[in-house]
Amino acid sequence: EVQLVESGGVVVQPGGSLRLSCAASGFTFDDYAMHWVRQAPGKGLEWVSLISWDGGSTYYADSVKGRFTISRDNSKNSLYLQMNSLRAEDTALYYCAKDIQPGATTMGGYWGQGTLVTVSS
Amino acid sequence: QSVLTQPPSASGTPGQRVTISCSGSSSNIGSNYVYWYQQLPGTAPKLLIYRNNQRPSGVPDRFSGSKSGTSASLAISGLRSEDEADYYCAAWDDSLNVVFGGGTKLTVL
Repeated sequence: EVQLVESGGVVVQPGGSLRLSCAASGFTFDDYAMHWVRQAPGKGLEWVSLISWDGGSTYYADSVKGRFTISRDNSKNSLYLQMNSLRAEDTALYYCAKDIQPGATTMGGYWGQGTLVTVSS
Repeated sequence: QSVLTQPPSASGTPGQRVTISCSGSSSNIGSNYVYWYQQLPGTAPKLLIYRNNQRPSGVPDRFSGSKSGTSASLAISGLRSEDEADYYCAAWDDSLNVVFGGGTKLTVL
């Protein structure tokens, strides 16, 4: 059974940093690209970032480019999101998602339950 | 303001057929696949449709997707109470971003 478990969400002050983690199991992690998508309270979905299966390619939403860094450790079946220079508008539930098909970069096919990041003083 | 435009709400009665539209541009829907997600209250999104009109295993054939030009639609036939949820369309944009619609809240009357 596919499982994605996000962690690391906390309350952080504006300008602060945070690293989110996503532990994957139940599938061959290094076959799949992985995504981060966020959802502000009461709002819609916003794609944040994507990393290819081998970590060789990364993509970012304009809203986080230069502040967030996506990475993965295939030996640990783990995905990460390093978040710097956090702003109030980064407050959201952050989901990690496994791509739909192996070896491709398409769209999130299976999502975790999310971890809540609150940026507030 | 979302890049893809969806109606904020839709409704129907049990057994009815409802459609949800998603409007984009030549740089996203017009040149890339469309995906649809269902988000039940308090849960993570679930993939309903991929590559415009393909259903993942386990998704009932009551759900169907279509695309024409720079617009796409999700149709739900034989509406059921458990279909009450938020629905989102998504697509890659040629700027190498994934863009979502603002979401449509479906109410089953």
